[in-house]
Order: sequence, then C-alpha cells, then structure tokens
Amino acid sequence: QVQLVESGGGVVQPGRSLRLSCAASGFSFSSYAMHWVRQAPGKGLEWVAVIYFDGNGKQYSDSVKGRFTISRDNSKNTLFLQMNSLRPEDTAVYYCAREDAVITSFDSWGQGTLVTVSS
Amino acid sequence: QSALTQPRSVSGSPGQSVSISCTGTRSNIGDYNLVSWYQQHPTKAPTLIIHDVKRRPSGVPDRFSGSKSGNTAYLTIRGLQAEDEADYYCCSNAGGHTFFFGSGTKVTVL
Repeated sequence: QVQLVESGGGVVQPGRSLRLSCAASGFSFSSYAMHWVRQAPGKGLEWVAVIYFDGNGKQYSDSVKGRFTISRDNSKNTLFLQMNSLRPEDTAVYYCAREDAVITSFDSWGQGTLVTVSS
Repeated sequence: QSALTQPRSVSGSPGQSVSISCTGTRSNIGDYNLVSWYQQHPTKAPTLIIHDVKRRPSGVPDRFSGSKSGNTAYLTIRGLQAEDEADYYCCSNAGGHTFFFGSGTKVTVL
C-alpha cells in the first residue's frame, strides 16, 4: 500500500535551516507530482510547494518563495524540503502528499513532522 | 485571508444532515470542477473524501456528497455519525499543480 513517512522535524532557532525528508513506498514514486502542505498549531492547511514527477518543475507559495527549496531523488523514492531563513511563523506540522493528477487531488498523505521555530 | 471561505463550525445531531459551504470566485470554483474536500480528525493527517466537486474515492461512505452552485461548493453529510466529528477543508486547484485550501470547518456531532 502507499506509504509516505516524513522525518527531519525539530526545534530550530529563527534564521537557521532545516531539511525535511519524505520516504515513499508502495507506488511508482517517479510517476507522481509530490507536494508539501503545512498546518500551524490550531490552524488550517496551507499548500507550500510542488515538484513535478521528473523534478523539472517546481512551484512555491508566496509565503516560502525564495527561502524553501523542494527537491526529489527518484532513485531513492524520497522527497525533500530544504527550509532556510526560518521564521517563527513557519512553525507547523509539515505533510508530504501525493497528487493524483487524474483527479487533481491529494490522494495520499504522510503522518507529518513538526517543525518549531523558536529561540 | 483564505481565498476559499468556509464557516468556522457547523453542528448536528446523529442522523441529521449538515452542509458546509466553500465560497470562492469564478476564477477558481466557478469556472472549474477541480474542488476537493478533506476530512481531518484531531492529530491525524487529512484524508480525501471528495474530488472533482462530487466524486467519492472508493471506501468513502455515500453519506458524503459534494455539489457546486456558481462560485460556491458544498459538502453534505447525511445521516451524521459520531465518527464524522472532524475538521473539513475544501481545496481548489490554482493552475498547474498549485492549490489552495479553504479556512476549514469544524463539524460537531451533538
């Protein structure tokens, strides 16, 4: 079955960096666009970034553009999110999600990893 | 400010029906049938319950239904059950592979 497992979260000081990973299994990872979606404590879902199936297309929300970089390693079935210049408002649970392009929806989600930006 | 507006909360008794609205604009909900809905229980990841406005993935009970009128999409839960108490989010494609979510609605089963 489809499985997405995030890792790399933790507590980090403002202005520092953190790299999240999402290990995928149970499906042909290289055939799907993959996304990061975050959720601040007690708040709603916010779309963060997407990387196309082959890694040649990337898009970001305005709130992270220029600070975050999404990437993938299709040989290792792994998705990444490099987060630089972190701010307190980046504190959230970060989910990786698979996009089913046929139904234009997120059909599988990981369990999430918590990032806390605090001094 | 979210581009998709949802009521903060709705409630109903077991067996009743509740509807959640998701109001956008003609450029997102109005002109396209790319609205999806997600259910999220506390401390859990979201799960897809409706895609393409009204289609249910396999395994989703048929008491969940979706519809659209003009620039507003709706999620209706018929025969409300205790396990339906959760947060619900609408989501619209924003062009290409980008998306944005509604503000979320908490459903309470009285």
